[in-house]
Amino acid sequence: DAKTTQPPSMDCAEGRAANLPCNHSTISGNEYVYWYRQIHSQGPQYIIHGLKNNETNEMASLIITEDRKSSTLILPHATLRDTAVYYCIVRPGHSGYALNFGKGTSLLVTP
Amino acid sequence: GAVVSQHPSRVICKSGTSVKIECRSLDFQATTMFWYRQFPKKSLMLMATSNEGSKATYEQGVEKDKFLINHASLTLSTLTVTSAHPEDSSFYICSAKSDRANYGYTFGSGTRLTVV
Repeated sequence: DAKTTQPPSMDCAEGRAANLPCNHSTISGNEYVYWYRQIHSQGPQYIIHGLKNNETNEMASLIITEDRKSSTLILPHATLRDTAVYYCIVRPGHSGYALNFGKGTSLLVTP
Repeated sequence: GAVVSQHPSRVICKSGTSVKIECRSLDFQATTMFWYRQFPKKSLMLMATSNEGSKATYEQGVEKDKFLINHASLTLSTLTVTSAHPEDSSFYICSAKSDRANYGYTFGSGTRLTVV
């Protein structure tokens, strides 16, 4: 799997956009970028995934650079409930293998 | 859609006893499920891959005789922690991959195991 690098922690004011970066410079052509988050003492929650085009859903937007070596997860209007650890993972889209979690980014949304 | 139910959410057991954790895919069939363990302030560590109808594949360092995995149907995988010790106390999480294009990997809500 391609290795990902994320900042260990970030802060964001409530109501502002949270932009979480991820570097994946060794990503392969068939690997997707997945984003999950884990709120304390819960299982990881799927947020979004993409291959090369930018993606948006009801939770977030995913911006992938043209060379696919990095991406940014955007939470457009962060709330206190968005405080969690956010994981960026790259994986072949149709593989039957497990997701391997790195250390992620601990996002703290403050009032 | 693509919901995974994990039970129990927390359990306390005595040293030397066994504990079974269930993981069910509620609205999809999962030929493959995954089991993770997470220690406090650490990331999720993959323990094993569970395949329906066949033996599980364990990650290096995970004792297969201690962590018994059974995947008897397309919607149920179980993890049994045998002869539990206090060092087995952890947060155990299961995951399944849906074949639906819009979903990635879905996770259960986790089981907090405390061995006393």
